[in-house]
Amino acid sequence: SQQGEEDPQALSIQEGENATMNCSYKTSINNLQWYRQNSGRGLVHLILIRSNEREKHSGRLRVTLDTSKKSSSLLITASRAADTASYFCATARYSGGGADGLTFGKGTHLIIQP
Amino acid sequence: NAGVTQTPKFRVLKTGQSMTLLCAQDMNHEYMYWYRQDPGMGLRLIHYSVGEGTTAKGEVPDGYNVSRLKKQNFLLGLESAAPSQTSVYFCASSSLAGGETQYFGPGTRLLVL
Repeated sequence: SQQGEEDPQALSIQEGENATMNCSYKTSINNLQWYRQNSGRGLVHLILIRSNEREKHSGRLRVTLDTSKKSSSLLITASRAADTASYFCATARYSGGGADGLTFGKGTHLIIQP
Repeated sequence: NAGVTQTPKFRVLKTGQSMTLLCAQDMNHEYMYWYRQDPGMGLRLIHYSVGEGTTAKGEVPDGYNVSRLKKQNFLLGLESAAPSQTSVYFCASSSLAGGETQYFGPGTRLLVL
């Protein structure tokens, strides 16, 4: 079962523009993570934001978290061709006891046009 | 450090054949995971391990078995492959429990005919 859902499913922008993608989730969380996946490659961790944080920055990335709305957004500023990838949000998966892994949304496919 | 590595990168199997996917990590992580990724879907957890000698079922464990005889290795086995197991398989590891940052391998593409 999927906890997070990204929106939009696909996004195409011009190089240099900002890209914003959103993630909505269903149950309470301890943290929310964003990962990037280049075509045919493994996932790379981008950023983790904890439930008591509202905003976090890492280089050209800005993540916000609104626990009252159960949503998060990832902003990539001054996009580059190398940012072309799929972006996934992930939250902890719980079954029976503690967290036993991550549950991922279907991702946002971002294309940066030169 | 190589991080998380997976062997093989690509494999074609016939229905009913068996195979083992190998995952190795050199970060001394306690926790290891196997996910599958199907087109248009996010990753789904197959099995996981919280330490050497332990394994547990994830969301979609049917048709798979795992073993963690050494801390650095996590093996995923398919005893009798089915076309529904055609997928990309990712291994991941983490130093903290399941809901924290995970480090992924490059994936194994499996085609079952």
